[in-house]
Amino acid sequence: DVKVTQSSRYLVKRTGEKVFLECVQDMDHENMFWYRQDPGLGLRLIYFSYDVKMKEKGDIPEGYSVSREKKERFSLILESASTNQTSMYLCASSHRDPGGPPLHFGNGTRLTVT
Amino acid sequence: AQSVTQLDSQVPVFEEAPVELRCNYSSSVSVYLFWYVQYPNQGLQLLLKYLSGSTLVKGINGFEAEFNKSQTSFHLRKPSVHISDTAEYFCAVVNQAGTALIFGKGTTLSVSS
Repeated sequence: DVKVTQSSRYLVKRTGEKVFLECVQDMDHENMFWYRQDPGLGLRLIYFSYDVKMKEKGDIPEGYSVSREKKERFSLILESASTNQTSMYLCASSHRDPGGPPLHFGNGTRLTVT
Repeated sequence: AQSVTQLDSQVPVFEEAPVELRCNYSSSVSVYLFWYVQYPNQGLQLLLKYLSGSTLVKGINGFEAEFNKSQTSFHLRKPSVHISDTAEYFCAVVNQAGTALIFGKGTTLSVSS
């Protein structure tokens, strides 16, 4: 069974801190994704990666960066956390399937920025 | 650009009643559509998907969805719901580049006895 593991379930950080959210998958998936989930807004794509060291901006990349040094690991970085980045962050992975990428999700990291 | 609209933000129903969660999509090219479910305090899991072929798609937990090209819809249905179906449901479409999913805003299904 595919497992996508997010390192923290809950995080509390202060405004201005640099924050790292880590995600690891164990199924050799090529694609990895970071979404944020907010009530009434659904899931919005922040960044995704289709290979090691490759990254693509999603719909809301501002204030975020990512790192993919190894195939199984995809990190989301908040360079200087702000209160409007308080949210649930979901990592996902999939094979590179031209028919449409079914995603496997982690359980999420709930980040609070104070 | 691809997008999906979930027409109801909340759907309250009684146990054993039928339910329909509505989803409309906009797309100019081939359409790949998905429904995901999120139970409380969990990540999302795939319910069903439409890639091609039969327009009636069956998924897990007794759910099914019908792809309707003329109405650009992909509504999710279940003939008889259980308390355990209480969750948030997301409709999604593959983006134009075929590289990522675009999600709707979600529909909260609340099943009561």
